[in-house]
Amino acid sequence: DARVTQTPRHKVTEMGQEVTMRCQPILGHNTVFWYRQTMMQGLELLAYFRNRAPLDDSGMPKDRFSAEMPDATLATLKIQPSEPRDSAVYFCASGFIGTDGYTFGSGTRLTVV
Amino acid sequence: KQEVTQIPAALSVPEGENLVLNCSFTDSAIYNLQWFRQDPGKGLTSLLLIQSSQREQTSGRLNASLDKSSGRSTLYIAASQPGDSATYLCAVRPGDFNKFYFGSGTKLNVKP
Repeated sequence: DARVTQTPRHKVTEMGQEVTMRCQPILGHNTVFWYRQTMMQGLELLAYFRNRAPLDDSGMPKDRFSAEMPDATLATLKIQPSEPRDSAVYFCASGFIGTDGYTFGSGTRLTVV
Repeated sequence: KQEVTQIPAALSVPEGENLVLNCSFTDSAIYNLQWFRQDPGKGLTSLLLIQSSQREQTSGRLNASLDKSSGRSTLYIAASQPGDSATYLCAVRPGDFNKFYFGSGTKLNVKP
């Protein structure tokens, strides 16, 4: 089965450090989402792209978060500088506009100490 | 803004029971609705996808229904098993394709 690949699976970093999370969407999918999941807030949409163009990043703290799609096979989410409140699981999902649903990756569990 | 509510937040049942999980949404102008399963520490696994024109979808022991006009969907699990224990999330995709709105989930525990 085709799947969305996220790396790293786990990341522990010190406050103030830069963190980069990567996502390889399913080949052919033209829409990519970044979500963050915490116990308190549940699943929050951070950003999404269609055909590599950012369509909505209103869910991201702009001063420290950035999301890009340098090419169709890679989406990145960066946090600089990281803070303890950024500790969460970050999910990437991809899909194709039409009738299909979305496929989620296994997530990156980020811990900022 | 679309709001998605799932009731109950948690459910504990003995093995073998049939059970129903509920999902309600405030804006009926949806494109489709998707049910996911999430195991502890894992990602989301898609279970069923219902298009706005459909009334239900079935996969094995799972059946999901959609009543768009009343803003409701139910996930029916027949003959529950301990392996069904997980958190079940519903997600609504609006007609403008912009976002996927998630409910907060129902945490299911099936006791042997």
